[in-house]
Amino acid sequence: AQSVSQHNHHVILSEAASLELGCNYSYGGTVNLFWYVQYPGQHLQLLLKYFSGDPLVKGIKGFEAEFIKSKFSFNLRKPSVQWSDTAEYFCAVMGRTYKYIFGTGTRLKVLA
Amino acid sequence: NAGVMQNPRHLVRRRGQEARLRCSPMKGHSHVYWYRQLPEEGLKFMVYLQKENIIDESGMPKERFSAEFPKEGPSILRIQQVVRGDSAAYFCASSPPSTEQYFGPGTRLTVT
Repeated sequence: AQSVSQHNHHVILSEAASLELGCNYSYGGTVNLFWYVQYPGQHLQLLLKYFSGDPLVKGIKGFEAEFIKSKFSFNLRKPSVQWSDTAEYFCAVMGRTYKYIFGTGTRLKVLA
Repeated sequence: NAGVMQNPRHLVRRRGQEARLRCSPMKGHSHVYWYRQLPEEGLKFMVYLQKENIIDESGMPKERFSAEFPKEGPSILRIQQVVRGDSAAYFCASSPPSTEQYFGPGTRLTVT
């Protein structure tokens, strides 16, 4: 069955700390992967996506993610977080018929 | 280019009433997806529609839930005879074929 796992449900960091959020997927077909962010009270926004090519993907706001096929992972990273990065982060894989399968999300709180 | 529009943003219904949630996709997008987010859970796929066609409804509850995307007008998610367990945030997304999805702000349904 297709699934996405985000192991960290809640993360608390101080400003300037480095961030890595884990995402592992289970999917047998061609993989298209995404990270979305949901700021408090707002809708989901696309941070970055992987369709093919360079497995290191750079997104908006200084975020990047690395697709490691052998580990079925697509971890999100940021070298130095800011207070404004406080949000919920969702990893997703595009399944058959283009629907998304989401992880349960990771709530990040950045302390000023 | 306006984003994905959803209305209402908040909807309160008493048990047994009907709820109608509307979604207007981004201009030029012919694919619409509905997702449901329950408290403390990630987004779960419900249904994928193209104009006048349901492509994948594998995530829709078998009873009381229906969706349509008519030739003219917004996509509608209808929930008949709502129960407390239907309380959730319902998100609509749109896309051109086989690319990333753009999400609306969601409708928060509360059943009292």
